[in-house]
Amino acid sequence: DGGITQSPKYLFRKEGQNVTLSCEQNLNHDAMYWYRQDPGQGLRLIYYSQIVNDFQKGDIAEGYSVSREKKESFPLTVTSAQKNPTAFYLCASSGTGGPGQPQHFGDGTRLSIL
Amino acid sequence: SQQGEEDPQALSIQEGENATMNCSYKTSINNLQWYRQNSGRGLVHLILIRSNEREKHSGRLRVTLDTSKKSSSLLITASRAADTASYFCATDDGGGADGLTFGKGTHLIIQP
Repeated sequence: DGGITQSPKYLFRKEGQNVTLSCEQNLNHDAMYWYRQDPGQGLRLIYYSQIVNDFQKGDIAEGYSVSREKKESFPLTVTSAQKNPTAFYLCASSGTGGPGQPQHFGDGTRLSIL
Repeated sequence: SQQGEEDPQALSIQEGENATMNCSYKTSINNLQWYRQNSGRGLVHLILIRSNEREKHSGRLRVTLDTSKKSSSLLITASRAADTASYFCATDDGGGADGLTFGKGTHLIIQP
């Protein structure tokens, strides 16, 4: 089955710690995205990548970093500089036809502070 | 920045009734999409309507688009308990490589 896999489902971060959220897709999609979802806030774009070895900041990139070394993988690191990291993180991908194509989502990672 | 705004924020209806949710947006768009999110899960794409279309159907879903009013509506007919979820509209304004802009969602509860 083609899809997007996010891991872990739940993650806890200690003060001063960096944590990395995994996102893997086998849909052969070029574009991948990371969103943050807070209660009542909808989805906010953190980073996106349209092609391997290239990525761009979204609306709320401060305190986060990404890499795109392989087409299938787009990991997100939440650094200690992100002072309010507690949220639900969603990874998505979309195929050819331009950035406005329908996006396919993983089932998210819920990050909490210890 | 968020472009789409759904209305109402929350909606509770009886099973079998129809549910209507609205989305307003601010700038010109190439297309508008609706997504569903079950609690604690990712979003699932429901339907896409292009800027030159006025109405689209998919099963029990009916979407309308009024570009002059910059608004869209999602109608779910003959609702079921399994339709309980949050529903989001997302717009593609064609202006950049960052894809879609999502609204804050409507939380729909279907009472059995």
